[in-house]
Amino acid sequence: QVQLQESGPGLVKSSETLSLTCTVSGGSISSSYYYWGWIRQPPGKGLEWIGSIYYSGGAYYNASLRSRLSISVDTSKNQFSLKLSSATAADTALYYCARQKQRTTAAGFYYFDYWGRGRLVTVSS
Amino acid sequence: EIVLTQSPATLSVSPGERATLSCRASQSVNSNLAWYQQKPGQAPRLLIYDASTRATDIPARFRGSGSGTEFTLTISSLQSEDFAVYFCHQYNNWPPYTFGQGTKLEIK
Repeated sequence: QVQLQESGPGLVKSSETLSLTCTVSGGSISSSYYYWGWIRQPPGKGLEWIGSIYYSGGAYYNASLRSRLSISVDTSKNQFSLKLSSATAADTALYYCARQKQRTTAAGFYYFDYWGRGRLVTVSS
Repeated sequence: EIVLTQSPATLSVSPGERATLSCRASQSVNSNLAWYQQKPGQAPRLLIYDASTRATDIPARFRGSGSGTEFTLTISSLQSEDFAVYFCHQYNNWPPYTFGQGTKLEIK
C-alpha cells in the first residue's frame, strides 16, 4: 500500500521560505497514472489545494500562490517538494501531500486517493 | 472556481442510526466528486470517488449518490469509528481543485 510522509521545519520565520518534502513509499512516483499534490488546511479552516506535479516535472499551481510557489520532483529519491517564498502568518497551516489517481473511465480527471498525515508549519515573526 | 457547500456544518446522530451529508457545487461537476473522512492526527481517508464508487476496503454502509451539482453521502447504521469530519472534493474543473468546508459528524 502506498504511504506518503511529509517532512520539513515546523517553524518558519516570516519572510523566509517554507520548504517541505513528501517521501513516497510502497509505489513509484514515476508511474504515468498519477499526479502528486500538496494541500493545506489553516487552523479551524477548510482545505486549500496548493499545486500538483507529474513525475516528468510538469506542474499546476493555485493561481493565488503561483508567484511564491515552486513544486519539484526527484524520481531518484521517490520524493516531491514544495517551496513557498516570502512566508507570512497566513501560511500557517497543516500541510498535506497526496497522490492523485486518474479516473479509469475518463482521462484528465484526478482525485486524491492516498494522503500523508500532514505536517504543521507555523510562520512566526 | 467551483465552490462546494456542505451541509449541515455539524450533524448529531446516535450510533446505529443513519447520517445524511450534503455537498452542493456552484456549477456542474458531472460525477467528478469524492468524499473523505478526516480524523485528528490521521491521514484523510478516501471513501467515495466518481460520486458513487466506494474506495478499496470501504464498508458498504457508506454510500455516495448524486451528479451535477447535488451530492449526498449516506452512512447507514453508524458505528463508533464513523464519528469524524467528512469533506467533499471536486476534480471536474481544475485548476484549482476545491474542497467543501466539511461536516462534523458527532455522537448524539
